[in-house]
Amino acid sequence: SAVISQKPSRDICQRGTSLTIQCQVDSQVTMMFWYRQQPGQSLTLIATANQGSEATYESGFVIDKFPISRPNLTFSTLTVSNMSPEDSSIYLCSVSYQMEQYFGPGTRLTVT
Amino acid sequence: AQTVTQSQPEMSVQEAETVTLSCTYDTSESNYYLFWYKQPPSRQMILVIRQEAYKQQNATENRFSVNFQKAAKSFSLKISDSQLGDTAMYFCAFISGSEKLVFGKGTKLTVNP
Repeated sequence: SAVISQKPSRDICQRGTSLTIQCQVDSQVTMMFWYRQQPGQSLTLIATANQGSEATYESGFVIDKFPISRPNLTFSTLTVSNMSPEDSSIYLCSVSYQMEQYFGPGTRLTVT
Repeated sequence: AQTVTQSQPEMSVQEAETVTLSCTYDTSESNYYLFWYKQPPSRQMILVIRQEAYKQQNATENRFSVNFQKAAKSFSLKISDSQLGDTAMYFCAFISGSEKLVFGKGTKLTVNP
């Protein structure tokens, strides 16, 4: 299995600021994914991050708002930029490893 | 487009009883995988069980089993001998060659003592 850690686990941020979430996995993986889970909702894929290439964003998500870095095969960051209260969600990192998908513990973001 | 439908937003069951959560999906792919994930209040997504579409035999993991009906595109989860720790959101999910998981909206399961 793959073990994933995320930092921070939670944060409260002011409107208009940015937050960078880190995701570290204990195995080398090709594909990493970032999801958003709004309160009481299912998971929505934000983007797929492959090492050495630009992230691929899903419909409704743009790079200016959610820039992603993927500097190596075990690490990625997601930045939530110019935050508004609508960005209050849980953000989860995930990896595909040996035909299973594993998730980090999530980052609970509250924007005031 | 591939979709996953969970028609039961909430369910409850008495401790030690059996409960079945429903899931249907839509795809034109022939090779794919189906999963049930559990998300307790801690919010950690935990893989409960997975099923390969090419396998006719239903997957089983201890108290958890699935009823996979490929022709009907149905993938239900049965939890036997329910325990208080089974209280969680349960998400049905689908993945094919694109390696992008598609999730259902989830079913909130409450196990009552």
